[in-house]
Amino acid sequence: DGGITQSPKYLFRKEGQNVTLSCEQNLNHDAMYWYRQDPGQGLRLIYYSQIVNDFQKGDIAEGYSVSREKKESFPLTVTSAQKNPTAFYLCASSINQVQNTEAFFGQGTRLTVV
Amino acid sequence: GENVEQHPSTLSVQEGDSAVIKCTYSDSASNYFPWYKQELGKRPQLIIDIRSNVGEKKDQRIAVTLNKTAKHFSLHITETQPEDSAVYFCAALSGSARQLTFGSGTQLTVLP
Repeated sequence: DGGITQSPKYLFRKEGQNVTLSCEQNLNHDAMYWYRQDPGQGLRLIYYSQIVNDFQKGDIAEGYSVSREKKESFPLTVTSAQKNPTAFYLCASSINQVQNTEAFFGQGTRLTVV
Repeated sequence: GENVEQHPSTLSVQEGDSAVIKCTYSDSASNYFPWYKQELGKRPQLIIDIRSNVGEKKDQRIAVTLNKTAKHFSLHITETQPEDSAVYFCAALSGSARQLTFGSGTQLTVLP
């Protein structure tokens, strides 16, 4: 279903703990993205990666970290430094950023800090 | 960086009427403008897109217009149906940073 998979669908975290969200794609896409979705604020870019072993900060990168060791994987770690981590997180991929092509989204992970 | 503003935030129309959602962008170098539809509890999916060398694009009941001079683009849905009810997002691919910036979304409700 779309070739991009996020896990888990729901995630609960205690305050002060780091947590890692998984994003895997089998579309052979070069570019991958992480967005945060809050009610009334649309999709805000956290990090993006254009190629393996390279990534750039988006608009709201503070308190988050990523890695891109493999083309198909782009995990996001929400660290304890993120002040308000409860949100819906969406991963996306596209063929590349140079060509203006469709971004495909995963089904999302809803993170709740308890 | 790029800034995309989207209006209105909510829109209710009667079934069969038209709906229009408008977006403005700030980066004159942006050259790709997709529209995504997100149904409740589902992932956003592309419904139509337009590139900067085109002024209008249609796909059945959906159309998008682009005014590069004014830096705004709009989504038009004609003959709306209840299944059109969803949140719609516009986006712009900035020319410099090469990142996709989204608007804040419009909750469209089609009343039967």
